[in-house]
Amino acid sequence: QVQLVESGGGVVQPGRSLRLSCAASGFAFSNYGMHWVRQAPGKGLEWVALISYTGSNKYYADSVKGRFTVSRDNSKNTLYLQMNSLRAEDTAVYYCARDWTLTGADYWGQGTLVTVSS
Amino acid sequence: EIVLTQSPGTLSLSPGERATLSCRASQSVSSTYLAWYQQKPGQAPRLLIYDASRRATGIPDRFSGSGSGTDFALTISRLETEDFAVYYCQHHGSSSLTFGGGTKVEIK
Repeated sequence: QVQLVESGGGVVQPGRSLRLSCAASGFAFSNYGMHWVRQAPGKGLEWVALISYTGSNKYYADSVKGRFTVSRDNSKNTLYLQMNSLRAEDTAVYYCARDWTLTGADYWGQGTLVTVSS
Repeated sequence: EIVLTQSPGTLSLSPGERATLSCRASQSVSSTYLAWYQQKPGQAPRLLIYDASRRATGIPDRFSGSGSGTDFALTISRLETEDFAVYYCQHHGSSSLTFGGGTKVEIK
C-alpha cells in the first residue's frame, strides 16, 4: 500500500535551516509529482511546493519562494524540503502528498512538526 | 490567482442530519480540478471527492459533490459520528494547489 513518511521536523531558531524528508513506498515514486503542504497550529491547509516526477520542474508558494527548496532522489524514493531563513510564521505541521495530476493530492503522510522559536 | 471561499465556517448538526458545505471560487474553474478533503484532529487530510463529483476510493456514498463554474458543494446525506471533522475544498492549478479556509462540521 502507498506510504509516505515524513521526518526531520523539530524546534529551530529563527533564521536557521532545517531539511525535511519524505520516504515513499508502495508505488512507483518516480512516476509522480509530489507536494509539500503545511498547516499552522489551529489553521487551514497551505500549499508550499510541487516538484515534477523527474524533478526538473519546481514550483513554490510566494510565502516560501527564495527560502525553501524542494528536491527528490528517485533512486531512494525520497522527497526533500530544504528550509532556510526560517521564520516564526513557518511553524506548522508539514505534510508530503502525492500529486494526482490536475486533480489533487491522493495520498498524504502523517506530517512532521516544525517549530520556529527562539 | 484563484481564491476559494468556504461557508459556513462552522456547521452544527446532529447525527443523521444532512450537511451541505459550500465552496465558491473567485473565478470560474473547471470541475475537473476541484476536490474535497476531510481532516480529523491529529490526522492528515483524506481525499473524498475529485473532479467535483467523483468519490475517491473507499469513500461512502453518503458523500457527494456537485457544482460547476464558481459554485461547488459537498453534501453528506446523513451524518455519522465519524463524519464530524473539518472539510476543505481545493483547486489544482497547473503548478500549485489552492485550498479553501475549511468548514468545521461539529456535533450539535
